Amino acid sequence: QVQLVESGGGVVQPGGSLRLSCVASGFTFRTYSIHWVRQAPGKGLEWVAFIRFDGSKKYYADSVKGRFTISRENSKNTVNLQMNNLRADDTAIYFCVRDRFERFFDYWGQGTLVTVSS
Amino acid sequence: DIQMTQSPSTLSAFVGDRVTITCRASQSISNWLAWYQQKPGTAPKLLIYDASSLESGVPSRFSGSGSGTEFTLTISSLQPDDFATYYCLQCNSYSWTFGQGTKVEIK
Repeated sequence: QVQLVESGGGVVQPGGSLRLSCVASGFTFRTYSIHWVRQAPGKGLEWVAFIRFDGSKKYYADSVKGRFTISRENSKNTVNLQMNNLRADDTAIYFCVRDRFERFFDYWGQGTLVTVSS
Repeated sequence: DIQMTQSPSTLSAFVGDRVTITCRASQSISNWLAWYQQKPGTAPKLLIYDASSLESGVPSRFSGSGSGTEFTLTISSLQPDDFATYYCLQCNSYSWTFGQGTKVEIK
């Protein structure tokens, strides 16, 4: 079955950095694009970043552009999200999500919590 | 960027009720709209894609309709398992936007 497992969350001070990872299994990873989506505590969902199946295209939400970088290693079935210059409003659960047809999301991981606080 | 306006934000209903949730896009998105269900402490679950296509394994009491700028999610007969928060999602030019969410509560 399709599984997406996130890791790397934790507590970080404002201005700090964190690297999230997502390991996928149960499908042919190299043929699927992947997104990161976040949800602040008690709030709605916000799309964060997208990487095409071959890494050729990357897109970011305006709120994270220039601070976050998405990457992937198809040999390891892994997608990473490097987050720099973190702010309090980046505090959220970060979900790794599989793309379908570059239109919507089908499978979601369980999420990893990032807390930005001094 | 395209904005999605979802209504109502909260909905109280009885088991067995017919429930309708609406999403309006700030500009036409053709039929590139999906619906998700999220229960507390869990990841969202895909219900409907391309505005009206039912995801495999999702009960047939869920249906979606609309195109252009106005879309609806309908639950034909609300079941106890359906009390949750529902979100719409649009995709346009490699930018994805969710609606604000609709919490469906027990009346």
